[in-house]
Amino acid sequence: EDQVTQSPEALRLQEGESSSLNCSYTVSGLRGLFWYRQDPGKGPEFLFTLYSAGEEKEKERLKATLTKKESFLHITAPKPEDSATYLCAVQARETSGSRLTFGEGTQLTVNP
Amino acid sequence: NAGVTQTPKFQVLKTGQSMTLQCAQDMNHNSMYWYRQDPGMGLRLIYYSASEGTTDKGEVPNGYNVSRLNKREFSLRLESAAPSQTSVYFCASSEVLAGPYEQYFGPGTRLTVT
Repeated sequence: EDQVTQSPEALRLQEGESSSLNCSYTVSGLRGLFWYRQDPGKGPEFLFTLYSAGEEKEKERLKATLTKKESFLHITAPKPEDSATYLCAVQARETSGSRLTFGEGTQLTVNP
Repeated sequence: NAGVTQTPKFQVLKTGQSMTLQCAQDMNHNSMYWYRQDPGMGLRLIYYSASEGTTDKGEVPNGYNVSRLNKREFSLRLESAAPSQTSVYFCASSEVLAGPYEQYFGPGTRLTVT
């Protein structure tokens, strides 16, 4: 069974204080790992797809990296507008129905 | 481009009532999905449709039915609502079933069953 565990559950940062969110996964052959951002009362918003260990992707203050067992979302010099819940999801190579297995998310708060 | 739209945004039902959640996408995507999101459980797949004319069960299908009306629209029906179905429901779409193609989500429907 595919599993995704995100840590920490919640993270409070001061504006400009860089940090990382962790996504540990167990999957029978990874097809893709996805990062989403979810604001309160909204649907998840797609950020990145990572396909293989060693891959990195960047978008503004966010950088996602991937190893064979986990992914990190690095946030550099965050701003209050980066406050949101960040979700990680995996898709297994043998998954029927393009099923995504989601973690429970990390709730990030950035204080000014 | 509206992306994925869902109606209604909020709904309150009494136990045993029925309702249909509507979803539409304007991205010409082939695959569509219905998820529910509950505290402590994350997002869980209810049903999906690989392409127009096909539907399949996901992780938590009991108590739900779906209809892929055409390529754009995918509806979720609760025939006899139960308090356990109180949740936030999200519709999503992606280019094709085989991926990895990212899924794009709608704004959600908050459903309360009393």
